Amino acid sequence: KAGVTQTPRYLIKTRGQQVTLSCSPISGHRSVSWYQQTPGQGLQFLFEYFSETQRNKGNFPGRFSGRQFSNSRSEMNVSTLELGDSALYLCASTSGQGQETQYFGPGTRLLVL
Amino acid sequence: DQQVKQNSPSLSVQEGRISILNCDYTNSMFDYFLWYKKYPAEGPTFLISISSIKDKNEDGRFTVFLNKSAKHLSLHIVPSQPGDSAVYFCAASVGSQGNLIFGKGTKLSVKP
Repeated sequence: KAGVTQTPRYLIKTRGQQVTLSCSPISGHRSVSWYQQTPGQGLQFLFEYFSETQRNKGNFPGRFSGRQFSNSRSEMNVSTLELGDSALYLCASTSGQGQETQYFGPGTRLLVL
Repeated sequence: DQQVKQNSPSLSVQEGRISILNCDYTNSMFDYFLWYKKYPAEGPTFLISISSIKDKNEDGRFTVFLNKSAKHLSLHIVPSQPGDSAVYFCAASVGSQGNLIFGKGTKLSVKP
């Protein structure tokens, strides 16, 4: 099976812009979770989508949003970018039922100038 | 407040010896624990997991031990190899919730 894929891999934006990141889960997986990794805060949970519905949400401002499509692909959007949004954004997928291992994609490196 | 703590930022081990990475947690609701290996600018790679109903799980050179009373888990790598050099993250979750809580990581260096 193909693994989790994320596009784009690298992105440079300026403050105030918005950005959309994409994640395609492992085939058959219906849950997609998003994480932000920064040097200071480590890996932090953003939100989880299951069957096109947000099922869990972390402690991030409303500028961070997401959605999931019927084919389980997910997008994450960050509006009004700030310098502190520079980070590695990771998504992970599972079937979404019970205790399961989350498998991660390679991440999108976002740099905000 | 950190719910998952990895108190050792770094660990250096000689090739062929045992590497022991430690992790402590505070939330007694956690019932599933995982270890990931990560290189810079890449996604975490799953290594091994353990359910709270077990106290040990083995997979090749990797063994995870869980001590629920102490809220402590550890990852043993035997024998350690230079290719094991990476940052190791401990993570925990509750039930089927899709939000993993990660520790800050331990950078393992295995010297030839």
